Amino acid sequence: ETGVTQTPRHLVMGMTNKKSLKCEQHLGHNAMYWYKQSAKKPLELMFVYNFKEQTENNSVPSRFSPECPNSSHLFLHLHTLQPEDSALYLCASSNRNNANTEAFFGQGTRLTVV
Amino acid sequence: AQSVTQLDSQVPVFEEAPVELRCNYSSSVSVYLFWYVQYPNQGLQLLLKYLSGSTLVKGINGFEAEFNKSQTSFHLRKPSVHISDTAEYFCAVRIDQAGTALIFGKGTTLSVSS
Repeated sequence: ETGVTQTPRHLVMGMTNKKSLKCEQHLGHNAMYWYKQSAKKPLELMFVYNFKEQTENNSVPSRFSPECPNSSHLFLHLHTLQPEDSALYLCASSNRNNANTEAFFGQGTRLTVV
Repeated sequence: AQSVTQLDSQVPVFEEAPVELRCNYSSSVSVYLFWYVQYPNQGLQLLLKYLSGSTLVKGINGFEAEFNKSQTSFHLRKPSVHISDTAEYFCAVRIDQAGTALIFGKGTTLSVSS
C-alpha cells in the first residue's frame, strides 16, 4: 500500500468515449500530479496541483481535463482520445512545502484507446 | 530549466555482478536528486534520495548512489545484483523551490540474468 490509490488499474476505451481516471492519496499531502508514461519515452509531467489549484499544465491537449476537488483527490477526465494516448497514467502526491521530500506514486492506470 | 540524462537505456548484467546506472543532471539552481525503481505493471517506488551532507547515499535493497557536484552526476550502484533487481530505474531532480514537480530521466532497464 503506497498511500496513493488509482482506479481503475486498466481501462480500454473507444475514441468517442468519455471516461475518468481517479486518484486518491491518504498521506496528508497538498500537491498532486499527473504523469504520462508511454513506451520508450520518458515520464511526462502533465499537470501539477498545489492546494487544489492548477499550477502547471505542460501543453497537454484539451481532450485531457484534470479536476482537483480537494487536496486528497485528483481526477483526469478523458474524451475523444487518440490511439497515441494509450499509455500508463501515473498519479503522484507530495508535500509542496518541502522540495526535499519525495513524491509518492500510485500504481497507475493502463489506458488503451481503440 | 533543469534536465536529467540517463546515459544507458538498457543494462544487462549477470546475477551477483556489480552494476552502475548513470545519471547526469543540469540545473542553474540547487536541486535535490532521487532514484526510483519501477517493477512491471507497478508505479514508481523511491530507492534513495540526496538532499545534502554526505555525498554517498544508501537506499533500499542494497543500492547506493554518489552525488558528484563537479560532474553533475548521481550514479546508482549495487555491488551484487539479484534476479529480483530486474526493473526500470529512473533518476529524477527537483529544484529547491516549493511547489515544483520532479523531472525524470528516460529510465534505464536493468536486466539481471543467471
